[in-house]
Order: sequence, then C-alpha cells, then structure tokens
Amino acid sequence: DAKTTQPNSMESNEEEPVHLPCNHSTISGTDYIHWYRQLPSQGPEYVIHGLTSNVNNRMASLAIAEDRKSSTLILHRATLRDAAVYYCILKGTQGGSEKLVFGKGTKLTVNP
Amino acid sequence: DAGVIQSPRHEVTEMGQEVTLRCKPISGHNSLFWYRQTMMRGLELLIYFNNNVPIDDSGMPEDRFSAKMPNASFSTLKIQPSEPRDSAVYFCASSLLRLNTEAFFGQGTRLTVV
Repeated sequence: DAKTTQPNSMESNEEEPVHLPCNHSTISGTDYIHWYRQLPSQGPEYVIHGLTSNVNNRMASLAIAEDRKSSTLILHRATLRDAAVYYCILKGTQGGSEKLVFGKGTKLTVNP
Repeated sequence: DAGVIQSPRHEVTEMGQEVTLRCKPISGHNSLFWYRQTMMRGLELLIYFNNNVPIDDSGMPEDRFSAKMPNASFSTLKIQPSEPRDSAVYFCASSLLRLNTEAFFGQGTRLTVV
C-alpha cells in the first residue's frame, strides 16, 4: 500500500490558520490524495481530495507540491470544532483494485 | 439519503457467541468497506466489496471473521466465535467506484466481548 507520513500531533489556537503536512514520496501517477478527519466518537468524514492542482472547498484547502511527493491541508481559521484526527490517504489502483487505507493521522488540538 | 446505516450501534456479547454486524450503504454506491478501530491498532481495513463482490479480504484477522454482501443494499460482518480481543468499533463505509470520489462512513458499531 502506498504510504503517507504525518506528524503525530499538532496544536493551534482558535481562529488561526492551520497547516497539516503529509509526505507521500512513493505516490504513483494515478494516486489521488484524500484527506479525512475523525471527530471524537464519530466515524471518519471526508474533507477534500486532489490529484495535481491545489483544491479549495468550504471546509479546507489542499496544497499539492509540484512533484506530488507532499501535500498540505490548510484550515484557514481553526475552530474548536476542528479538533480531530486528520488522515492523509492515497487512493489509487493497486493490482486492479482500489483501497482506502488509513494511517495513524495527525491529532489536532485547538486551543481557545 | 439517510447516509450509511449500521446496526446495532452497541453490542455486548459473551465470549464464544456469534455476532453479526449489519450495514446499509448509500443507495447507488457500488463500493463498500468494513473497518475496525481500536486504540492500539487504529483504523484497519478488513475487507471491501466492489459491485457486491469481495475484492480484498487480506485485512480480515482470521477465519472467525466473515463478510457477505448479498445485494447492493446490504452487507454483514460476522464473528464466530467472538473473543474479548474482538472488542472494537466497527465502521462500514460506502462510495462510488471511482478514485476521485469520497467515502461516507456510518456511525459505527461498538462491540464489547466479555
């Protein structure tokens, strides 16, 4: 499975921007970069995904490096509700099959 | 759509009993995933189906675990016999069969085996 590397934890203050990094040096040309987050006591929820270009949606922005070996999830103004574990996942076709495999993720703490 | 629906939400059973977890995916989705989450091992992919066919079950821990998808609107994960180490939260997720689409997760079933 294509691997991603994320910091175990990060801390931010409320209403400040947060940049969550992810390294994926073994990414293949057809892998999409997906981000999910898991709030306490809930199932994971989709945040954003991209292939090559930077992406924006109502929740966050995704900045993808030119060589695609790393990406950054950007929360423009963190709120207390953004405290969660954030997972960076490569979704691609391996051996003719798809997989959505979660790593350990980054636990984001937001301070009031 | 009500989203991915899992039942039961909580299950407490005695060691050695059979446990069946159920999942109803979002209508129209053709990929379905079963995950298990524990503090020690995180979120593990157990098995996934495309168009009701099991594609990869390499994450299923052992023969005590089995999963079926008899039709596009229903899947089960069965543990027989159950053991205390099976205690975990089990999530079901569904998506369209495309790389550039999101998966939707259910609320999970918290299983406790005593």
